[in-house]
Amino acid sequence: DAGVIQSPRHEVTEMGQEVTLRCKPISGHNSLFWYRQTMMRGLELLIYFNNNVPIDDSGMPEDRFSAKMPNASFSTLKIQPSEPRDSAVYFCASSFFSGTAYEQYFGPGTRLTVT
Amino acid sequence: ILNVEQSPQSLHVQEGDSTNFTCSFPSSNFYALHWYRWETAKSPEALFVMTLNGDEKKKGRISATLNTKEGYSYLYIKGSQPEDSATYLCASLNEDVGNEKLTFGTGTRLTIIP
Repeated sequence: DAGVIQSPRHEVTEMGQEVTLRCKPISGHNSLFWYRQTMMRGLELLIYFNNNVPIDDSGMPEDRFSAKMPNASFSTLKIQPSEPRDSAVYFCASSFFSGTAYEQYFGPGTRLTVT
Repeated sequence: ILNVEQSPQSLHVQEGDSTNFTCSFPSSNFYALHWYRWETAKSPEALFVMTLNGDEKKKGRISATLNTKEGYSYLYIKGSQPEDSATYLCASLNEDVGNEKLTFGTGTRLTIIP
């Protein structure tokens, strides 16, 4: 299995531009998570989906952030307009239920720099 | 808001020595405890998932224990090697937070000195 796939791996953009991050979860996993990693706040959950439906978006910072999961194999996280404080590494993860617990697997991350 | 705490925050260990560190988590409505290994510039790699009180897991030189009644887990590394250098994250899943919403600690940053 290829694991969780994220693109792009690096993104540099100017303040005010729209940014779209993409994620392909592991086939057969029912849930998908978007996390953000910063030095100040560590790893924080932004939103998660189960069977393509958003379950908890309480971590989404503000209206500039939106996430979609149109089908079981694809999700996007969009920032519009982007700001320098959005610079961070964004991880996507997917999970399945092993019979005893949910097991989450992380993608390689997208490093976003907003200048 | 749940609080998952890890200690120490960072640790330097001589190659060949054994070490351990702690994760404390809320014991109420506990469901599962996850350990991840996170190397710099990479993504977190799943090590263990534990659900039962008294559970112990082992993978090579790394092992973990779980005490759900008092809300702590220990991660042990035996005979540390340079490739063990990483940040070790724990995350708790408690049913009153959400079905799959993990609460992460801030990690223990381990450096092995050759």
